[in-house]
Amino acid sequence: DAGITQSPRYKITETGRQVTLMCHQTWSHSYMFWYRQDLGHGLRLIYYSAAADITDKGEVPDGYVVSRSKTENFPLTLESATRSQTSVYFCASKVGGGTEAFFGQGTRLTVV
Amino acid sequence: KNEVEQSPQNLTAQEGEFITINCSYSVGISALHWLQQHPGGGIVSLFMLSSGKKKHGRLIATINIQEKHSSLHITASHPRDSAVYICAVFSGSARQLTFGSGTQLTVLP
Repeated sequence: DAGITQSPRYKITETGRQVTLMCHQTWSHSYMFWYRQDLGHGLRLIYYSAAADITDKGEVPDGYVVSRSKTENFPLTLESATRSQTSVYFCASKVGGGTEAFFGQGTRLTVV
Repeated sequence: KNEVEQSPQNLTAQEGEFITINCSYSVGISALHWLQQHPGGGIVSLFMLSSGKKKHGRLIATINIQEKHSSLHITASHPRDSAVYICAVFSGSARQLTFGSGTQLTVLP
């Protein structure tokens, strides 16, 4: 199906484990973004990517790693999960130069 | 001070009421989004504005670039409109969005 999809939708993991959240888009949008959404903070940018093999830090990048070997995929990895990373994570994409963003359904991550 | 301020934070209305949610921003922008998020759900883009006014069904969004202010109006509100409404702006190089903190709307039957 066309669009932007995130997987998994829900994940429970233990402190210290590595976990990867997947984001896939079918439009060949050049820009992709990862946000986390927390009560009291709204949506905050973790990392973004302007194109394959180009990534940059956002507002809250610590504890996260991203890669973008293919335009359509933008995985987010928590190398050693902490309880403070319990959050809802949203992936988004947009065309280069465009201003309309499209969001995935979100991944609810709980770190216990 | 946040770059994007929304008001009110919470809003409860009776079915049928006219609703207004406000968004003020302090930076120059290239576009403004109004987003809707239902409980436990994803984020849906309702409008993208760079000037003037847009209407979709019972939803109307306006923007005043000079005053750096946008409003989202819902006419004849319905319980299914209950959601969080988020204002977000593209500014600077338009590489990323800056979000308001959201308005929790509850429409009672």
